[in-house]
Amino acid sequence: DGGITQSPKYLFRKEGQNVTLSCEQNLNHDAMYWYRQDPGQGLRLIYYSQIVNDFQKGDIAEGYSVSREKKESFPLTVTSAQKNPTAFYLCASTGTGGVYGYTFGSGTRLTVV
Amino acid sequence: KQEVTQIPAALSVPEGENLVLNCSFTDSAIYNLQWFRQDPGKGLTSLLLIQSSQREQTSGRLNASLDKSSGRSTLYIAASQPGDSATYLCAVRPGSSNTGKLIFGQGTTLQVKP
Repeated sequence: DGGITQSPKYLFRKEGQNVTLSCEQNLNHDAMYWYRQDPGQGLRLIYYSQIVNDFQKGDIAEGYSVSREKKESFPLTVTSAQKNPTAFYLCASTGTGGVYGYTFGSGTRLTVV
Repeated sequence: KQEVTQIPAALSVPEGENLVLNCSFTDSAIYNLQWFRQDPGKGLTSLLLIQSSQREQTSGRLNASLDKSSGRSTLYIAASQPGDSATYLCAVRPGSSNTGKLIFGQGTTLQVKP
């Protein structure tokens, strides 16, 4: 079955560490997105990529970085510059063109220890 | 700037009741509107996708309507069950942008009591 796989499910980060969240899709979707979800704040867009080797900042990109070397993969790195990284991170993908809906992964919960 | 609002923020109903969740958006220029379900600690599951040219979509006990001119969508759940308890999110894909970015409402948390 096609879908999006996020790993790990839970991730713990020490102060000053960079951590990388994995997102892989086998839906043949061109566009991929990273959202952050905090209680009471809804979903906020971090980064997105509409084509391989190209990506754009979303609304809250500071302290994060991404790469898109393969169509199937869109990893997110949470750097030490992100001062409040504890949140639930969701990866999504969609086809090119306005008629397509989004498919989401199961999420990664990141906690600073 | 597109804004999406969901009312109510929380809802508690007895099992078997029919219920309606509301979603409103400020800009009628949209490609589509999508309803999602989210269980605690889980990702988003797509329930229904309505294109801008459509008026409604149905899947099992769920029916979603879209009125672009008034900026409203409703999600109707028939004969609610305890397993329907979750947070329901509405999201629009703005037609004015080619980024594919979704604009989400804050969600309605539904509790169905046995």
